[in-house]
Amino acid sequence: KAGVTQTPRYLIKTRGQQVTLSCSPISGHRSVSWYQQTPGQGLQFLFEYFSETQRNKGNFPGRFSGRQFSNSRSEMNVSTLELGDSALYLCASSYHRTDYEQYFGPGTRLTVT
Amino acid sequence: DAKTTQPNSMESNEEEPVHLPCNHSTISGTDYIHWYRQLPSQGPEYVIHGLTSNVNNRMASLAIAEDRKSSTLILHRATLRDAAVYYCILTARIQGAQKLVFGQGTRLTINP
Repeated sequence: KAGVTQTPRYLIKTRGQQVTLSCSPISGHRSVSWYQQTPGQGLQFLFEYFSETQRNKGNFPGRFSGRQFSNSRSEMNVSTLELGDSALYLCASSYHRTDYEQYFGPGTRLTVT
Repeated sequence: DAKTTQPNSMESNEEEPVHLPCNHSTISGTDYIHWYRQLPSQGPEYVIHGLTSNVNNRMASLAIAEDRKSSTLILHRATLRDAAVYYCILTARIQGAQKLVFGQGTRLTINP
């Protein structure tokens, strides 16, 4: 069974631009969560989607948004990029919201210049 | 979210057991204890989880104190591949594990 895939793996953007990152969960998994990892703040929860609905949200500004499609694939969008948005963005999936194990993808490394 | 406290770093030798401690004095009765690890240049990887009783799986063992205010992840025979940052995380039972609140973790170094 293929693991969680994230595209692109690396991305360079300029301040003020917007970016869309994609996550394909493991086949059959319906819950997708997103995390941001930076050297200063560590791993922080962004949001969680299940059945195309956002179920949980972390403490991030409204510039960070996401969505989930009927096939469980998910995208996250960051608008008006800031230098501080440079980070590794990780996606994790599980079959159901009450599962106790999440499977993480390799992440997308975003650099904002 | 309840907090966990872990040592910043630990070091061990290959083929020796490793005991990684975690304190969670404010744990509630409905919190599960999870352990994840993150190898270099990879996303986190689930290791083990438990509620009250000690747990074993193919990767590790989890020993939970009777009062649940602390736990220990045990790697029975460390290999070089076990070098990673290990995170101890509490999750509310009713939420499952959909919102993981990561701390700084313990960076484990394995010496050959």
